[in-house]
Amino acid sequence: AQSVTQLDSQVPVFEEAPVELRCNYSSSVSVYLFWYVQYPNQGLQLLLKYLSGSTLVKGINGFEAEFNKSQTSFHLRKPSVHISDTAEYFCAALSYNQGGKLIFGQGTELSVKP
Amino acid sequence: GAVVSQHPSRVICKSGTSVKIECRSLDFQATTMFWYRQFPKQSLMLMATSNEGSKATYEQGVEKDKFLINHASLTLSTLTVTSAHPEDSSFYICSARDPLTTNEKLFFGSGTQLSVL
Repeated sequence: AQSVTQLDSQVPVFEEAPVELRCNYSSSVSVYLFWYVQYPNQGLQLLLKYLSGSTLVKGINGFEAEFNKSQTSFHLRKPSVHISDTAEYFCAALSYNQGGKLIFGQGTELSVKP
Repeated sequence: GAVVSQHPSRVICKSGTSVKIECRSLDFQATTMFWYRQFPKQSLMLMATSNEGSKATYEQGVEKDKFLINHASLTLSTLTVTSAHPEDSSFYICSARDPLTTNEKLFFGSGTQLSVL
């Protein structure tokens, strides 16, 4: 069965520092991979996605992620975070044959401190 | 871009009452919508897949009679929490797929915070 694991439940970091949020997926078939951000009491906003092609994907708000097939990982990175990046981040996977079902990771709470 | 509207954003109700949550696709016809539930500090768990004109497909462990889903039109799916109890308090989020695009284009509503007293 498809599963997504986010290795860190909380990541505290100081403003302007770099950050990496880790995500691993398990699947026997090719997948689409996503990162979403959720601000308090709000829905989800798509940050970026990997479908095919270049393994380095750039998204909104200066985020990027790298798809690593051999390690089944899709870690999210940002070279310099802002206070406004404080939010919950979800990694998700969608199998080609799953009819649009997204499987979410447990989420990582990014807390940016001044 | 495509927009999914979810209403209400917040609802407080008494135990034993029923609550209806609406999910609308505003500029596309969504043949498939998804309903998720999210507990505080936890991930989103898929509850059911709503297909226009047919019965919803529920995930294992989700009570069909408790969470009634209706997808009567191509732009509207509703989730009704029947006889709500405090343990039903949660954040509910819908998503919709535009059938004219590829599978990965999912659009999310802004969520509904349900509090059952």
